[in-house]
Amino acid sequence: GAGVSQSPSNKVTEKGKDVELRCDPISGHTALYWYRQSLGQGLEFLIYFQGNSAPDKSGLPSDRFSAERTGGSVSTLTIQRTQQEDSAVYLCASSWATGELFFGEGSRLTVL
Amino acid sequence: DQQVKQNSPSLSVQEGRISILNCDYTNSMFDYFLWYKKYPAEGPTFLISISSIKDKNEDGRFTVFLNKSAKHLSLHIVPSQPGDSAVYFCAATGKDQAGTALIFGKGTTLSVSS
Repeated sequence: GAGVSQSPSNKVTEKGKDVELRCDPISGHTALYWYRQSLGQGLEFLIYFQGNSAPDKSGLPSDRFSAERTGGSVSTLTIQRTQQEDSAVYLCASSWATGELFFGEGSRLTVL
Repeated sequence: DQQVKQNSPSLSVQEGRISILNCDYTNSMFDYFLWYKKYPAEGPTFLISISSIKDKNEDGRFTVFLNKSAKHLSLHIVPSQPGDSAVYFCAATGKDQAGTALIFGKGTTLSVSS
């Protein structure tokens, strides 16, 4: 498709398990972002990839969170030893540079 | 510490009237501002933006005003329509700063009644 694709759309996991969320950005977009939206909260910045530069990881809430972007395209957000407070919608976005972002529909994570 | 603040979590407006959504920011390095709109179960979509060299940008029913001295921007929707009911996020970045992420506010839920 032409838009940002995220998978899975829904993930239910048990506390303590690891999860991986995938993002396929729009082809050619150099910037890729991960945000999360917890219940009743806004869009919380997690991590940002821009071209070949070192990623901006300043938004990652703990060392249980990590992300990779392979080949400048697909990105995977990994959450280790999930906790209930990790439950949220995880949104990926891409753009040509900073500015207008194109978001995916999100991956809803529920940690039981 | 929130760099982008939307102090009104919700706003209710009648169809045909003006909707005004407000946003304040604290980081003086921000020079590019955007509004995004989000429907339930969908990702946010870009609505309108403004650079700090302007104080107003208009696109159809949507106008964004920027007051740099007050570090305040607002989105005006005139006339409001029921289809405008959504969550509106204000976002900011330093456009000329490579590697600067887009920072969002917590959003304002707009409800337009017919």
